[in-house]
Amino acid sequence: NAGVTQTPKFQVLKTGQSMTLQCAQDMNHNSMYWYRQDPGMGLRLIYYSASEGTTDKGEVPNGYNVSRLNKREFSLRLESAAPSQTSVYFCASNRSGGSNQPQHFGDGTRLSIL
Amino acid sequence: RKEVEQDPGPFNVPEGATVAFNCTYSNSASQSFFWYRQDCRKEPKLLMSVYSSGNEDGRFTAQLNRASQYISLLIRDSKLSDSATYLCVVGNYGGSQGNLIFGKGTKLSVKP
Repeated sequence: NAGVTQTPKFQVLKTGQSMTLQCAQDMNHNSMYWYRQDPGMGLRLIYYSASEGTTDKGEVPNGYNVSRLNKREFSLRLESAAPSQTSVYFCASNRSGGSNQPQHFGDGTRLSIL
Repeated sequence: RKEVEQDPGPFNVPEGATVAFNCTYSNSASQSFFWYRQDCRKEPKLLMSVYSSGNEDGRFTAQLNRASQYISLLIRDSKLSDSATYLCVVGNYGGSQGNLIFGKGTKLSVKP
């Protein structure tokens, strides 16, 4: 009963490097989300995908791209990492994009940009 | 005014105490409300949804006051294992679809 699975759990990058954070859910959810969490800032939405084939910007999309590969998988890409992107990244999913549905979270990716 | 505001705490209470957290939200059109729990260096986990009539789950009671745009969480008979950060979460229609707005959380520390 995996729920939402994120890889990798930890990553250290140098400024300018690129990488992709992977997220997969096995709950047959339609909607998926990427958040970042910084001390004192709370959770902030980066991008979301209301359904397979669609993606939309959230509150802090700059410097990121996403791909909804299929219903299960939603990846987040940093094309040219910057120290300001050091954060904990959470992927989440819920049954539908309606905001009356609680979201279920993966256990996070801790990313450090040097 | 921030969309979802919480007292950051920390709330330091002894085992067995009753503790209450409050949360205010700015969008009067908000439609759904939740409390999440987040342990240190872990992901947020749904604690309970909050319904208009108020609801209870064991030692936890949630209340919603739409007129005052206020949500509360009451924890009775606190346990050491209740130590965590509690996130108030509000769902808004009309904004980004599926967007839940998270408060920054209230930290609870239950001491022996």
